[in-house]
Amino acid sequence: DQQVKQNSPSLSVQEGRISILNCDYTNSMFDYFLWYKKYPAEGPTFLISISSIKDKNEDGRFTVFLNKSAKHLSLHIVPSQPGDSAVYFCAAKTSGGSYIPTFGRGTSLIVHP
Amino acid sequence: GAGVSQSPSNKVTEKGKDVELRCDPISGHTALYWYRQRLGQGLEFLIYFQGNSAPDKSGLPSDRFSAERTGESVSTLTIQRTQQEDSAVYLCASSRGQGSAEAFFGQGTRLTVV
Repeated sequence: DQQVKQNSPSLSVQEGRISILNCDYTNSMFDYFLWYKKYPAEGPTFLISISSIKDKNEDGRFTVFLNKSAKHLSLHIVPSQPGDSAVYFCAAKTSGGSYIPTFGRGTSLIVHP
Repeated sequence: GAGVSQSPSNKVTEKGKDVELRCDPISGHTALYWYRQRLGQGLEFLIYFQGNSAPDKSGLPSDRFSAERTGESVSTLTIQRTQQEDSAVYLCASSRGQGSAEAFFGQGTRLTVV
């Protein structure tokens, strides 16, 4: 049973527009959430994170929103650029215990020029 | 080193042979993770090390899979009697091991079992 779900396998967006990638989780013990970006033939790279004590974290063009009651988070990229085309993985973990991140299946984002 | 390093980058092996995959984590990172990504799938957790101990091996798919870590540094993932379904990209990550610390990934080893 997937504890972290990314229900959209792919997303296509025009350059300059907003990209919204969604993630849902089922484990209420998760209290720290991360987004990773992965280019082909490379390992995932950390993008942005958010603690459950916050509902928003912003870093440049990237903003992550957390809705704890809905167990939902989203990554907004504004404005989207062709170089943002990659697979985006949502991950969640508990700050106590083993800190093992649990990953979703990823969403492939394509930003068209 | 500056980042997580994995070797080899690619490995093609015959079904039934054993393979060893190596991971050199970021110096000072106490936590080390192995994941695999099969074609079209997400990142599947395999095993977690804290120091040289593996408190969580729950993701290892069968007893053909084993891993060790020495010197709180290098880790080796061994797959015995490889099967075609073992074909995947095997990813290693390390972190400071604290609750909010992000994990840094290596580039992965692409394993193909023919």
